[in-house]
Amino acid sequence: GNSVTQMEGPVTLSEEAFLTINCTYTATGYPSLFWYVQYPGEGLQLLLKATKADDKGSNKGFEATYRKETTSFHLEKGSVQVSDSAVYFCALSSGGSNYKLTFGKGTLLTVNP
Amino acid sequence: GAGVSQSPSNKVTEKGKDVELRCDPISGHTALYWYRQRLGQGLEFLIYFQGNSAPDKSGLPSDRFSAERTGESVSTLTIQRTQQEDSAVYLCASSFGAEETQYFGPGTRLLVL
Repeated sequence: GNSVTQMEGPVTLSEEAFLTINCTYTATGYPSLFWYVQYPGEGLQLLLKATKADDKGSNKGFEATYRKETTSFHLEKGSVQVSDSAVYFCALSSGGSNYKLTFGKGTLLTVNP
Repeated sequence: GAGVSQSPSNKVTEKGKDVELRCDPISGHTALYWYRQRLGQGLEFLIYFQGNSAPDKSGLPSDRFSAERTGESVSTLTIQRTQQEDSAVYLCASSFGAEETQYFGPGTRLLVL
């Protein structure tokens, strides 16, 4: 079956530091890959996505590249801000039921000023 | 409305009682999803509604769980004879169509004592 493994947190960084949150997956077929973010007190929001190998999703300074050879979709940002403090979830959809999202456990990021 | 709304935001109940959780999707969204997030775990898919098609109930963990949706509007998730392991955050999402971006509500935090 499908599964997503992401880096366990919490991750604590200083403002302007470089961020990487690792995500690897197991899936049948050719999955679509997503990063969702949950800010404190808010619902999950789609941050970025990639639907085929070598695609790069990007949004708000975050990037992730779909790597089929390593089955990975690592999230990166060159310079984090305090406002990036949130829980980040890696997810995929695959197979005949592309509406079903399979999520990782989430990574809590705290950015200190 | 502006986004997906869920009620109640928090629910505390005693073991063995029934609970109903409500989801109001974004107006015009034909697809609606329920997920569950237990402590320290990723989100688990529960059920999916798309228009007038038969729902995909493959994620419901037991026959104590059921969900209904009236047309393309409100959905209710019902848990009968609640157990302590049902304690979780229950998240609802909606999308414009199947396989489109899912927009999540803030969730209902259920605690079964």
